[in-house]
Amino acid sequence: KNEVEQSPQNLTAQEGEFITINCSYSVGISALHWLQQHPGGGIVSLFMLSSGKKKHGRLIATINIQEKHSSLHITASHPRDSAVYICAMNYGGSQGNLIFGKGTKLSVKP
Amino acid sequence: DAGITQSPRHKVTETGTPVTLRCHQTENHRYMYWYRQDPGHGLRLIHYSYGVKDTDKGEVSDGYSVSRSKTEDFLLTLESATSSQTSVYFCAISESNQSQFFGPGTRLTVL
Repeated sequence: KNEVEQSPQNLTAQEGEFITINCSYSVGISALHWLQQHPGGGIVSLFMLSSGKKKHGRLIATINIQEKHSSLHITASHPRDSAVYICAMNYGGSQGNLIFGKGTKLSVKP
Repeated sequence: DAGITQSPRHKVTETGTPVTLRCHQTENHRYMYWYRQDPGHGLRLIHYSYGVKDTDKGEVSDGYSVSRSKTEDFLLTLESATSSQTSVYFCAISESNQSQFFGPGTRLTVL
């Protein structure tokens, strides 16, 4: 069965801390996505990557294809980073073959 | 932000009634998707479209049908709503091998 596992499920951090969220998947993929879902419910795409590393502001996403593992890092965390972070894998070469993890709920305390 | 809207944003209906949700985009993106999001589950793909009149089933397509008669609109229909279809429904759009942009979601309650 194609699966995406995220850890931890819940994460509480103090403002300024470095945060890592992990994602493991079970099959070869064509791309891996990181999404952010705000407390109000809106979903924003953060990264799409198939190899290496991408950086946008304080967010960094890495992927290790051999180990079937990706990480999302947040540097100098801030309360506004509080959200659910979702990992999703695109497999099989079809746009429709997208399996999502259940998300990691991050709370950053001031 | 990508121009993508969903209507209605909230709906309460009774078991057995038909329901249609609409997704509208102004970005001319080729791909459109319908997902549902439920507690304890990740987002799950219901159906997606890869062009006008071209659609395919997703992971949880039973009980749902879709139509795409023009590039900008993707309709999701529940022919006879059931309580198990109470959920939050998200539409998304993308170009090929690009990130998806999500709509604001529709909260559907089936009593």
